Amino acid sequence: DAGVIQSPRHEVTEMGQEVTLRCKPISGHDYLFWYRQTMMRGLELLIYFNNNVPIDDSGMPEDRFSAKMPNASFSTLKIQPSEPRDSAVYFCASSLRGTGWKEQYFGPGTRLTVT
Amino acid sequence: AQSVTQLGSHVSVSEGALVLLRCNYSSSVPPYLFWYVQYPNQGLQLLLKYTTGATLVKGINGFEAEFKKSETSFHLTKPSAHMSDAAEYFCAVSASGTYKYIFGTGTRLKVLA
Repeated sequence: DAGVIQSPRHEVTEMGQEVTLRCKPISGHDYLFWYRQTMMRGLELLIYFNNNVPIDDSGMPEDRFSAKMPNASFSTLKIQPSEPRDSAVYFCASSLRGTGWKEQYFGPGTRLTVT
Repeated sequence: AQSVTQLGSHVSVSEGALVLLRCNYSSSVPPYLFWYVQYPNQGLQLLLKYTTGATLVKGINGFEAEFKKSETSFHLTKPSAHMSDAAEYFCAVSASGTYKYIFGTGTRLKVLA
């Protein structure tokens, strides 16, 4: 299995620009999660989807952030306009619903730098 | 509400020495507890988990953790550190049956030759 795929792996952009991060979950998984990792705040859950529907977006920091999942194999996290404080590593993870406990499988992350 | 506290953002041990990484949690419902490891420039990988049943759980790479409800702890141990164990380790908690993980701030383990 290819695992969770994220692109790009690195993104450098200027303040005010739009940034789109992409994620392909593991095939057959029906939960998808977006996390942000910073030195100051650690690893934070931003939003998660079940069957392409957003379930909990309480972690999305502000209206500049939006996430979509148009189909079971693709999700995007968009920041518009970007700000230097958005610089972080963004992780996508996926999981398969089942009985009992459900492991989350993480992608390699996208390192975003906003200058 | 749930929370996780990892004591010590950096831990150094000598190769062959005991590894002990501390995690305390707070949860108003029976928790599920996890340890994840993150190697440089990689995503998180599950080391081990506690859901129900046996309180001593064994994971990959020789790691184990013990769930102690009375102490609200889930410390991670390994009897003998190896150079390849150098990484960042995250403790996480979720309420049983939910997908929402709360992560600790991480402990960076350094293994000295």
